Amino acid sequence: AQSVTQLDSHVSVSEGTPVLLRCNYSSSYSPSLFWYVQHPNKGLQLLLKYTSAATLVKGINGFEAEFKKSETSFHLTKPSAHMSDAAEYFCVVSDPRTGTALIFGKGTTLSVSS
Amino acid sequence: GAVVSQHPSWVICKSGTSVKIECRSLDFQATTMFWYRQFPKQSLMLMATSNEGSKATYEQGVEKDKFLINHASLTLSTLTVTSAHPEDSSFYICSATEGGRSSIYNEQFFGPGTRLTVL
Repeated sequence: AQSVTQLDSHVSVSEGTPVLLRCNYSSSYSPSLFWYVQHPNKGLQLLLKYTSAATLVKGINGFEAEFKKSETSFHLTKPSAHMSDAAEYFCVVSDPRTGTALIFGKGTTLSVSS
Repeated sequence: GAVVSQHPSWVICKSGTSVKIECRSLDFQATTMFWYRQFPKQSLMLMATSNEGSKATYEQGVEKDKFLINHASLTLSTLTVTSAHPEDSSFYICSATEGGRSSIYNEQFFGPGTRLTVL
């Protein structure tokens, strides 16, 4: 079975400083991993995905994540936060072998102050 | 591309009535659609998975007679909340996979959600 743990429920940064949102996963097989962002009153948007290709994955809006099998981690980073990055972020895992649905982490709320 | 819409975006109903929520894939054929429920400040919980033309598969603890799911075409799935009660108030989100490349990686495209309030 797959599971995902987002280590921080809330992260606060200042505009222009780096962002780190932590995620650890558990999977019996090589998983597919995703980061989604949810802005208030908007649908979920895919930021990036890991699908067993390159371990460093670049996504939209300057975000990237690194798949580290030895640490079972898939942390999301961005060098410089922008006010528009304030939102809810979900780390998601699935098993591509079985086509099962996505398993969502509990989410991390990112706040960005000026 | 890969746009999913939901209708309505917000609905208020009286206790005991039924509410239907539509989920449409606008520019692709959705072989599989998913329905999620999200409580305030919580994560998404999968309710059911539906494949076009077949019965939905419900997650443990989800009442299939209360949450009726129909996936009659490759672009439309509906969720009907029957005899709604205040505890059914929630944010309902659908998603879809288009088959082919996206299904290999289980990438899903999400609708904007429907906020249901039962009085």
